[in-house]
Amino acid sequence: GAGVSQSPSNKVTEKGKDVELRCDPISGHTALYWYRQSLGQGLEFLIYFQGNSAPDKSGLPSDRFSAERTGGSVSTLTIQRTQQEDSAVYLCASSLDGERTIYFGEGSWLTVV
Amino acid sequence: ELKVEQNPLFLSMQEGKNYTIYCNYSTTSDRLYWYRQDPGKSLESLFVLLSNGAVKQEGRLMASLDTKARLSTLHITAAVHDLSATYFCAVYQMEYGNKLVFGAGTILRVKS
Repeated sequence: GAGVSQSPSNKVTEKGKDVELRCDPISGHTALYWYRQSLGQGLEFLIYFQGNSAPDKSGLPSDRFSAERTGGSVSTLTIQRTQQEDSAVYLCASSLDGERTIYFGEGSWLTVV
Repeated sequence: ELKVEQNPLFLSMQEGKNYTIYCNYSTTSDRLYWYRQDPGKSLESLFVLLSNGAVKQEGRLMASLDTKARLSTLHITAAVHDLSATYFCAVYQMEYGNKLVFGAGTILRVKS
């Protein structure tokens, strides 16, 4: 596609429910990143994929968070048993291997009530 | 741990004025990024600086990188209202897991 595509754009969920956030990177981009942006916390790194593998999962806040990437393309970020502190914008980014520019999607706005 | 500090965090300026946003980082890096974010929107890539002494300009914005001082600047010339946004610098570190570490952001408001 023309840019990084994320869905849903907005999600309101009840505390304790699971949510899945999807990212479609730019076609051909091998590197994919998930970030979280919340008030008072700035932009936090969550996870990085090179192809389908995630060499760095250090940013995942807890074991309720998981992510996968299939076919070197689409990635899903799953949050289990959501808590109110999970409310944030979840941003996905991608880049072409060897290319310097990293492109961000529009984000998925998650609100846990 | 890589730390990235921006200042100022908030900048209110008059149209037509010049100002500089500073970005300091704590360890060596071979890439520094500047992004713009409008309210409710995602991050727009402005500049990627790859080497010591790199300078890039786009319109009224000019970014520079001093890797020895671990400092990047984003200079705004003759500000206009349309430049109002939040500006982030970010440092890329392979040793820290191929990720961008972001500064806190500078909220820029240009008053007519």
